[in-house]
Amino acid sequence: EVQLVESGGGLVKPGGSLRLSCTVSGFSFPNAWMTWVRQAPGKGLEWVGLIKSRTDGKTTDIATPVKGRFIISRDDSNNTMYLDMESLRTEDTAVYYCATGQHWGQGTLVTVSS
Amino acid sequence: YELTQSPSVAVSPGQTARITCTGDILSNQYAFWYQQKSGQAPVAVIYKGSERPSGIPERFSGSTSGTTVTLTITGVQAEDEADYYCRSADHSGIWVFGGGTKLTVL
Repeated sequence: EVQLVESGGGLVKPGGSLRLSCTVSGFSFPNAWMTWVRQAPGKGLEWVGLIKSRTDGKTTDIATPVKGRFIISRDDSNNTMYLDMESLRTEDTAVYYCATGQHWGQGTLVTVSS
Repeated sequence: YELTQSPSVAVSPGQTARITCTGDILSNQYAFWYQQKSGQAPVAVIYKGSERPSGIPERFSGSTSGTTVTLTITGVQAEDEADYYCRSADHSGIWVFGGGTKLTVL
């Protein structure tokens, strides 16, 4: 069974930092392109970024609203992807999901508030 | 790239609901459809345009015509009430979402 489990969300002050993790099982993580998606309260789904597989150089692409503040990385030995977020803003408040193709995690809530 | 969905669709139980999604990218890239019930994570109901994941009822189907993809729910049930999002990706793997369609079962 494919499972994706996000963790690391919480309450952080504007300007603060947070690291989200996504740990997967049930498929070959090293060969998968992985994606982060977020959903602000009452809003639609927004692509945040992706990281390609090892064979594709583990290259990343980040959405314009978060470029320069968010970094995606992966640890294939632990089947885990990370989203490092810094200089957080109130508009980054959202549920953050990791996903690959048809499979999604349950999400982790990030709240940026003073 | 942009994907456009109508904001809402309303049908009575047992009727057929059709939710459309339009965008140039759909002429040469697959579409995915996700169902999101209130307070829950999105769940794929269609992938690669017309494939149905394991466990998704047969009443869900997907089709493509040019730059428009359609999610059809035949014999809508009350439990199908949810937001539905289409999604595609460009050649470099960047995902693009439609704005979502709220399906109301009357």
